[in-house]
Amino acid sequence: ETGVTQTPRHLVMGMTNKKSLKCEQHLGHNAMYWYKQSAKKPLELMFVYNFKEQTENNSVPSRFSPECPNSSHLFLHLHTLQPEHSALYLCASSLSGENLFFGPGTRLTVL
Amino acid sequence: DAKTTQPTSMDCAEGRAANLPCNHSTISGNEYVYWYRQIHSQGPQYIIHGLKNNETNEMASLIITEDRKSSTLILPHATLRDTAVYYCIVRVAYNQGGKLIFGQGTELSVKP
Repeated sequence: ETGVTQTPRHLVMGMTNKKSLKCEQHLGHNAMYWYKQSAKKPLELMFVYNFKEQTENNSVPSRFSPECPNSSHLFLHLHTLQPEHSALYLCASSLSGENLFFGPGTRLTVL
Repeated sequence: DAKTTQPTSMDCAEGRAANLPCNHSTISGNEYVYWYRQIHSQGPQYIIHGLKNNETNEMASLIITEDRKSSTLILPHATLRDTAVYYCIVRVAYNQGGKLIFGQGTELSVKP
């Protein structure tokens, strides 16, 4: 247990569905991150939030919409995805960008 | 952030030391060397980091060459549970905005 939880752990959605991924950290950190890991590829940084403010968007299309209501919670809202967006979506948190603590990830399958 | 080069895969016998090399020949003076590992389908886990001195913690040792162009992560007594992908990452200090950018890593297989 790293102190970072993600729900759901597995998600199957159709291309016309809207779904949300949730991340919660219990570490008192102020920064939160979304990473994407496609099969056989390195982790890709998607978004960074510091003190609830988005500080990094790594050219992610608008079908992925993050939300950070407070420093402990991070959401990723998904809509109109394609099968190539199937991947492991990882959330992480840190204290001002120091060592990152990762959650277990949500395995997303888009049909 | 400087790029790193790691072997794609390595094997290690259980109980023996696993030595994982990393080349970072373009590292800058203010960049740290970080190591993370990712056990299959789990989130990455922090192992250790250093600037120029060798570091040791309960998980591993990090040896950085004097010119800082390469480093070695040492798992002193590898177990089957150490089978994972190991990532060597070079980044500017966190308080200077350094980001954690992952490469392909080394897939370590610990065999009985």
